[in-house]
Amino acid sequence: SAVISQKPSRDICQRGTSLTIQCQVDSQVTMMFWYRQQPGQSLTLIATANQGSEATYESGFVIDKFPISRPNLTFSTLTVSNMSPEDSSIYLCSVETRSDSGETQYFGPGTRLLVL
Amino acid sequence: AQRVTQPEKLLSVFKGAPVELKCNYSYSGSPELFWYVQYSRQRLQLLLRHISRESIKGFTADLNKGETSFHLKKPFAQEEDSAMYYCALRGYNTDKLIFGTGTRLQVFP
Repeated sequence: SAVISQKPSRDICQRGTSLTIQCQVDSQVTMMFWYRQQPGQSLTLIATANQGSEATYESGFVIDKFPISRPNLTFSTLTVSNMSPEDSSIYLCSVETRSDSGETQYFGPGTRLLVL
Repeated sequence: AQRVTQPEKLLSVFKGAPVELKCNYSYSGSPELFWYVQYSRQRLQLLLRHISRESIKGFTADLNKGETSFHLKKPFAQEEDSAMYYCALRGYNTDKLIFGTGTRLQVFP
């Protein structure tokens, strides 16, 4: 398994500003993922962040809006840039580990963002 | 298109009653299916996966390829089962998880 922490746990931001969310995992992992969960909706994958390469973004998400860093195997950041109220959401980091059962994704506690 | 459908937003039962949380999927191939659970004030966590064919906390789920379903079942619900349940799919040769919209299970005493 993997223990994941995220900072900040929540924030209230003004529109037009940017927020960087940090994700720290207690073991080295290759695959890290960033999800968004908008109010009343399911989790949507924003991008996959692998160490040593650029993040791979899903349809509807772009690097200019959600730049991601992955400097090492235990850490990643997601920035929500030029925020608008539509960016109000829970942002979750997850990592994938492998075991005899197969690949499993573990999730962080999430960062609850409110944009005014 | 790949899709996971959970038709029920809320499912309310009394303690001791059977529970079935429905999950249907759309995928042209052999996916891997998961159930994740989020208890109040806790993070999302894996409950079970179809390839393990195991029972976790009394819950089981069988992959029915003919009906493209992966319903989660428990014969006797407990109050501590109250949580948000998400069905998720991972396609062949990919690491991406596609989630359903979730079903909130409420178990009343």
